[in-house]
Amino acid sequence: GAGVSQTPSNKVTEKGKYVELRCDPISGHTALYWYRQSLGQGPEFLIYFQGTGAADDSGLPNDRFFAVRPEGSVSTLKIQRTERGDSAVYLCASSLGGGAFNEQFFGPGTRLTVL
Amino acid sequence: GENVEQHPSTLSVQEGDSAVIKCTYSDSASNYFPWYKQELGKRPQLIIDIRSNVGEKKDQRIAVTLNKTAKHFSLHITETQPEDSAVYFCAATVENDYKLSFGAGTTVTVRA
Repeated sequence: GAGVSQTPSNKVTEKGKYVELRCDPISGHTALYWYRQSLGQGPEFLIYFQGTGAADDSGLPNDRFFAVRPEGSVSTLKIQRTERGDSAVYLCASSLGGGAFNEQFFGPGTRLTVL
Repeated sequence: GENVEQHPSTLSVQEGDSAVIKCTYSDSASNYFPWYKQELGKRPQLIIDIRSNVGEKKDQRIAVTLNKTAKHFSLHITETQPEDSAVYFCAATVENDYKLSFGAGTTVTVRA
């Protein structure tokens, strides 16, 4: 079946602009996660959804970052007033349920470059 | 929160030799330790995982060992092949939790 997909694959924007990154999880997966991966680092947790609600957004770096999942499937990560330090690969993952023992399946990521 | 450290950052091995990657974690409550492989330009994929109720798990040429007392776990790849070249990430989390804490990654290069 289809895996997790993310669009766009690459996004180049100018400092101060607004961007939206989209994630389509595996069908039937109730849990969805966003991670950020900077060059040479492992993924860092941003936010976790169980269904439509953000169960934990403790990893969001500041209030410029926001994510939604209105129908419990597709999620959008929104970044306002982008800064050069936001440049990274943004990874989305989904799992059948929440909890550690449910394998997280990752998408290919969106590479965000802020000029 | 959980802090995972991973060593080495790069590893070059001759084809057919073994590769070992080590990780330490800080939160003694962590009890689930997955390993992900990320090929260049591709998504991370789970290759093996271990829960704290076992000390070792093996799957063909890869194995993972866990020492809960010392709070470290390791990935072992035997008989390495060129397709094993990738970045490997260890991670840790607590049962009933969901966010994975990742190490910084190890770039493995298998020389033909």
